[in-house]
Amino acid sequence: DQQVKQNSPSLSVQEGRISILNCDYTNSMFDYFLWYKKYPAEGPTFLISISSIKDKNEDGRFTVFLNKSAKHLSLHIVPSQPGDSAVYFCAASVDRGSTLGRLYFGRGTQLTVWP
Amino acid sequence: DTGVSQNPRHKITKRGQNVTFRCDPISEHNRLYWYRQTLGQGPEFLTYFQNEAQLEKSRLLSDRFSAERPKGSFSTLEIQRTEQGDSAMYLCASSPTVGAGELFFGEGSRLTVL
Repeated sequence: DQQVKQNSPSLSVQEGRISILNCDYTNSMFDYFLWYKKYPAEGPTFLISISSIKDKNEDGRFTVFLNKSAKHLSLHIVPSQPGDSAVYFCAASVDRGSTLGRLYFGRGTQLTVWP
Repeated sequence: DTGVSQNPRHKITKRGQNVTFRCDPISEHNRLYWYRQTLGQGPEFLTYFQNEAQLEKSRLLSDRFSAERPKGSFSTLEIQRTEQGDSAMYLCASSPTVGAGELFFGEGSRLTVL
């Protein structure tokens, strides 16, 4: 059962424009959400996270929005750069304080930023 | 480099053989995790350790799989009697017990079972 879903396998955006990557989840117990970026032949690297007590978190060009009622989060990248081209994974966990470790990942979205 | 280190990076084996992967976590991290990623999927949780204690195992971890972290430092993941369905990227990650909350992943060990 896929508890974290990324329904768009790919996204293509022009350099300088906004990239919006979407993620839905089904488990209402999830209270901590993360985005990872993965380049070919490398492991996933942490990008940004958000706790369920917030609805927005920003870090430079990256902003994550959380809509708990819709069980939906999104990652905005603005402005997009060619170096952002990678696979982006959405992940979620339950009870960050004590049992963080078992992350549930989506299938990923391949972002391509073209000049 | 003080990141998570995994060896070997690539392993090709014949069906029925045993393979072992090693993971060296970031030195001050108490927790160590194993995930598996197949083509077109996100990483799937296999198991995790806090120090030397294995605290949780996924049902994906069949009896042919065994993971150890004998001294609370490096970990090994052994797959016995490999099957073609075991072909995947095996990812190791570590984290401190308390902190920002993210996992730090290694580059992975790719297994191909012929």
